[in-house]
Amino acid sequence: NAGVTQTPKFRVLKTGQSMTLLCAQDMNHEYMYWYRQDPGMGLRLIHYSVGEGTTAKGEVPDGYNVSRLKKQNFLLGLESAAPSQTSVYFCASSYRVGAGHSTDTQYFGPGTRLTVL
Amino acid sequence: RKEVEQDPGPFNVPEGATVAFNCTYSNSASQSFFWYRQDCRKEPKLLMSVYSSGNEDGRFTAQLNRASQYISLLIRDSKLSDSATYLCVVTGSSNTGKLIFGQGTTLQVKP
Repeated sequence: NAGVTQTPKFRVLKTGQSMTLLCAQDMNHEYMYWYRQDPGMGLRLIHYSVGEGTTAKGEVPDGYNVSRLKKQNFLLGLESAAPSQTSVYFCASSYRVGAGHSTDTQYFGPGTRLTVL
Repeated sequence: RKEVEQDPGPFNVPEGATVAFNCTYSNSASQSFFWYRQDCRKEPKLLMSVYSSGNEDGRFTAQLNRASQYISLLIRDSKLSDSATYLCVVTGSSNTGKLIFGQGTTLQVKP
């Protein structure tokens, strides 16, 4: 099991460029999440998905879009990158609430370090 | 007010010391509570869940006080390898598995 993987690991963008971050999990988890982590701010939820084909906004969704076309993949898009989006992005996944597994544990990917100049 | 508040530290302690971290949360409807550990430039990983009765895992003891909306983590006999950032985490009130993270408390254990 690879667990949760993220690509790319590092990226530098210029203001206004677009990019897509890919998250993949092989644990058959229903729920997937995208967070950003900034110094002194902790992890903040950008968007999340409770199943294939569904997405919802988190705490800081502006400037980002997501898609969950396949259960194992959750994509995070930046249409027009801004310097304020310089951050470390983490993807996570967990079991579905009520599925008989604990949803307490979220499994995180290794992160993507994004710099927007 | 942040939903989950922690003292960011850093806490600098010698090997073998006992250190305690505290955390407060604002949502009285939160049902589950955890401590995650995050090493420098790595992803967070679950350290332990926190139960109302208190729970222990080796050198680590976690406690929850629902009335005061307060969570604690005690580390006994600190090791160099305990140096990390400890994240206090609570569930949101909706049934979506969402977690609310504190900003973390940094621990540095010195030889």
